[in-house]
Amino acid sequence: DGGITQSPKYLFRKEGQNVTLSCEQNLNHDAMYWYRQDPGQGLRLIYYSQIVNDFQKGDIAEGYSVSREKKESFPLTVTSAQKNPTAFYLCASSSHDRGGQYFGPGTRLTVT
Amino acid sequence: GQQVMQIPQYQHVQEGEDFTTYCNSSTTLSNIQWYKQRPGGHPVFLIQLVKSGEVKKQKRLTFQFGEAKKNSSLHITATQTTDVGTYFCARRGTTGTASKLTFGTGTRLQVTL
Repeated sequence: DGGITQSPKYLFRKEGQNVTLSCEQNLNHDAMYWYRQDPGQGLRLIYYSQIVNDFQKGDIAEGYSVSREKKESFPLTVTSAQKNPTAFYLCASSSHDRGGQYFGPGTRLTVT
Repeated sequence: GQQVMQIPQYQHVQEGEDFTTYCNSSTTLSNIQWYKQRPGGHPVFLIQLVKSGEVKKQKRLTFQFGEAKKNSSLHITATQTTDVGTYFCARRGTTGTASKLTFGTGTRLQVTL
């Protein structure tokens, strides 16, 4: 089955801890993206990567970090510097920079 | 970033009624994409429009791109309860940031029997 997987589906952390969200795709897509969605809101871009070993900041990159060491993987770390980390995090990929994006099921992060 | 405004924010219809959501930009769009997100789910890519005045259909869904490429619409004919969800439009970045999508605020559709 081809697709994008994100794990875990739900994640709970204490304030002050860093947490890494997983995103893996076997679609052979070059581009990958991380979005944040707050209740009743649209999607805001955190980071994106067009090729391996390269990534760019999106609109709300502060408090987050990423790596793209493999084509298939684009993990997102939510650091303790992120002031409001509780949100729904969505990973997506696309085959080229002009196509539609395909989303994973998301991770709901709750920080208390 | 460059904004795309969607209206309405929310619409509640009876099953069988039509529904339309509009996406507007103050600047010319290179293309526009539409996505649907079911409650509790993730966005699903529906379609991309590229040409001025383009109209595309997917069963009961009709997508239009304005002649000036500054607006787009999604029309659903005879809504069904399976149409419930939030519909987002999204615009691409300019040259150099072509990967980057900016999503509209979304229109939440509720359909009741």
